[in-house]
Amino acid sequence: DTEVTQTPKHLVMGMTNKKSLKCEQHMGHRAMYWYKQKAKKPPELMFVYSYEKLSINESVPSRFSPECPNSSLLNLHLHALQPEDSALYLCASSQEVRRGGYTFGSGTRLTVV
Amino acid sequence: EDQVTQSPEALRLQEGESSSLNCSYTVSGLRGLFWYRQDPGKGPEFLFTLYSAGEEKEKERLKATLTKKESFLHITAPKPEDSATYLCAVDHGGSQGNLIFGKGTKLSVKP
Repeated sequence: DTEVTQTPKHLVMGMTNKKSLKCEQHMGHRAMYWYKQKAKKPPELMFVYSYEKLSINESVPSRFSPECPNSSLLNLHLHALQPEDSALYLCASSQEVRRGGYTFGSGTRLTVV
Repeated sequence: EDQVTQSPEALRLQEGESSSLNCSYTVSGLRGLFWYRQDPGKGPEFLFTLYSAGEEKEKERLKATLTKKESFLHITAPKPEDSATYLCAVDHGGSQGNLIFGKGTKLSVKP
């Protein structure tokens, strides 16, 4: 299995909703990442998990809450989002932080209304 | 300031017309340079990693090269299915795990 699987593929949520994005990989990678990508822009790093521990939080607002339940799963919990948070949310993994190419999932297209 | 600049922003080619995409970088301590292909609405697809000047990697019609200041992605005899945005990203001496991405080159190959 050489894939990173993200669910759901599309999500529409209101500003008062709570939702979660899920990411799964079975490549034995020990580093997992959340990126945010706006239209026609490059991906921007949000969080890095290394061996299931949060190692980097790139000054992301608290309305985004990451969770790594085990070495294969990564969640991003969303609460009280703003319309400007609408974007493509990408999960990625690598063998370890700074080792190996990053494998990206297909992303979750999030729309906040 | 660490920077990654890709050129051109957009490139239109006829099928079979070879060309090159450029990625120039100014970073403190290059630890790796990555090329990705991204189709609309999809996540980036990993193509190559280059670690040191002089290194070259090939895959089908694509060849990536690296110097101390830039990388080139050469596309030989492209086909319409090569149309995509090509992203360059650099792992630098800063925050661990934070790749610096260029803005990408949007390639269109017409039949």
